[in-house]
Amino acid sequence: GESVGLHLPTLSVQEGDNSIINCAYSNSASDYFIWYKQESGKGPQFIIDIRSNMDKRQGQRVTVLLNKTVKHLSLQIAATQPGDSAVYFCAEGSQGAQKLVFGQGTRLTINP
Amino acid sequence: DTGVSQDPRHKITKRGQNVTFRCDPISEHNRLYWYRQTLGQGPEFLTYFQNEAQLEKSRLLSDRFSAERPKGSFSTLEIQRTEQGDSAMYLCATTPMGLAGGLAEQYFGPGTRLTVT
Repeated sequence: GESVGLHLPTLSVQEGDNSIINCAYSNSASDYFIWYKQESGKGPQFIIDIRSNMDKRQGQRVTVLLNKTVKHLSLQIAATQPGDSAVYFCAEGSQGAQKLVFGQGTRLTINP
Repeated sequence: DTGVSQDPRHKITKRGQNVTFRCDPISEHNRLYWYRQTLGQGPEFLTYFQNEAQLEKSRLLSDRFSAERPKGSFSTLEIQRTEQGDSAMYLCATTPMGLAGGLAEQYFGPGTRLTVT
């Protein structure tokens, strides 16, 4: 497959450890935030989303935290597995704009 | 597999040729988006449809680009007189309308990789 994101920020973690991927968003009017995972040669895959009336949301092995004061979003992945290796994108949107604006992405590598 | 399909998966064309890509959405999704993604970047919004109406086009979408969704189901994206700078992954995403008309999760297709030589 082809590589997605040759010069992305990278994060390397040991298998079984927790990962935290951070994202700064730009628009204070954004009210919807979403994380995607993208593996090489594939389209982005939905992980979890959160609306601006919440500051935390949990899924299976994942947690998203939203800090509107500093316009910061994070994705926590518990007990990382080799299959978690991918590029992770955050995206923001607003009801007014009705579209997503994606961040740069972070490449997560899981070491055995 | 999200249920969104795109065709073709890969397209190699010579500069100046026209190309057309197709996206078949999840059937009950009334919103359909097109994005472009280049290496090292996140997807960039191009345009979106609500049913058959094209509601917004990005300034990235030059007049060589046109998109249609004639019956509110599948969509096509055509690029006329392709240029080398058009080489990218073209992604389609679909979504139901969110609560109170807000955004909801978008389901992406596998993309069409365009290479212009």
